[in-house]
Amino acid sequence: AQKITQTQPGMFVQEKEAVTLDCTYDTSDQSYGLFWYKQPSSGEMIFLIYQGSYDEQNATEGRYSLNFQKARKSANLVISASQLGDSAMYFCAMREGRVLSGGSNYKLTFGKGTLLTVNP
Amino acid sequence: DSGVTQTPKHLITATGQRVTLRCSPRSGDLSVYWYQQSLDQGLQFLIQYYNGEERAKGNILERFSAQQFPDLHSELNLSSLELGDSALYFCASSPGREGGNEQFFGPGTRLTVL
Repeated sequence: AQKITQTQPGMFVQEKEAVTLDCTYDTSDQSYGLFWYKQPSSGEMIFLIYQGSYDEQNATEGRYSLNFQKARKSANLVISASQLGDSAMYFCAMREGRVLSGGSNYKLTFGKGTLLTVNP
Repeated sequence: DSGVTQTPKHLITATGQRVTLRCSPRSGDLSVYWYQQSLDQGLQFLIQYYNGEERAKGNILERFSAQQFPDLHSELNLSSLELGDSALYFCASSPGREGGNEQFFGPGTRLTVL
């Protein structure tokens, strides 16, 4: 079974509108983290936002917010006031692993991504 | 700019050859992660090092190996290359200490195997 599922291969949104990108996850760990990354056509991976499994408040970073519904195992990304520069591939990822003395053995599992196109 | 550097940016080689990809983490980060991104497999975690020691292993082939040196830079060695190894290889770094949640990605090395 896939650990991270992004059901929308592609999404379109009008400039200045809000858009929600879906992500569901599967883990039996109690402690985990959820990330969203943006990958523009240039190829680099850009960190957007992080939500810890014990965080009670939804994470927000500027125009990005993460709608975390733990019981439903979903971590949707909401982008408000879309801009043309938001056009990119967006990946949801889950960190599993645990803190060990002197370090950690975290690793990330990525979804297949959602290609967002912002129309003028 | 994430502060993570990767060299080379592009690499073209032939099947059966061996290549080395290099990564320098952000200043102060002790953990280095390697990922492979290909069209058919998506983004796959390969391996993690923390302060010179291997910490976690993902979908890394036996033909691939990695190490992290005392100055914390890391190298990913790919040998007996096959056409299917053509991919974008990312290195990421994180502080690696408790509370360090974010991984910062380098620009990637695009490997083409002909």
